[in-house]
Amino acid sequence: DVKVTQSSRYLVKRTGEKVFLECVQDMDHENMFWYRQDPGLGLRLIYFSYDVKMKEKGDIPEGYSVSREKKERFSLILESASTNQTSMYLCASSSQPSKNTIYFGEGSWLTVV
Amino acid sequence: QKEVEQNSGPLSVPEGAIASLNCTYSDRVSQSFFWYRQYSGKSPELIMSIYSNGDKEDGRFTAQLNKASQYVSLLIRDSQPSDSATYLCAVRSNNNDMRFGAGTRLTVKP
Repeated sequence: DVKVTQSSRYLVKRTGEKVFLECVQDMDHENMFWYRQDPGLGLRLIYFSYDVKMKEKGDIPEGYSVSREKKERFSLILESASTNQTSMYLCASSSQPSKNTIYFGEGSWLTVV
Repeated sequence: QKEVEQNSGPLSVPEGAIASLNCTYSDRVSQSFFWYRQYSGKSPELIMSIYSNGDKEDGRFTAQLNKASQYVSLLIRDSQPSDSATYLCAVRSNNNDMRFGAGTRLTVKP
């Protein structure tokens, strides 16, 4: 079974803090994704990566950055957390080609106070 | 911006009825289409994928795709209370990004 692991399930951070959300997948997938999910807005794509050190902006990249130094790991970084970044963050991965589905981690609930 | 649109619901059907969920998408070069189910507090799980025009059946679920109309739907036959969840339509293009609709909340009443 594919396993996508998000190391932090629940976090509370202060405004202005730097926040790291880590995601690891164990299936040698090329593609990895970060989404945030908010009530009524569904899943919105923040960034995705199709290879090590490669990244593409999604629909809402502002205020976020990502890092993919190793194939299995994709990190989401909030340089200076703000209250409007309080959300549930979902990491996902998939193999090529585009027909393949993506598999989600369990989610990270971030509260910024 | 590539868009995926769904009726947010809630959609309520009686047990045993057919639930019909609809989705439209804006990017004509979209290649792959997926339906995910998400229970409250959980991450989405794949129900079905469809790539070609027409119908695809899997048990009580049927996905329908019409690329000319940029429309994809999911039918759930013999709906059960355990089907109560939010259903997410997802669309994937050749550059491998995957975009989701806002989801339709389905309630199946016993």
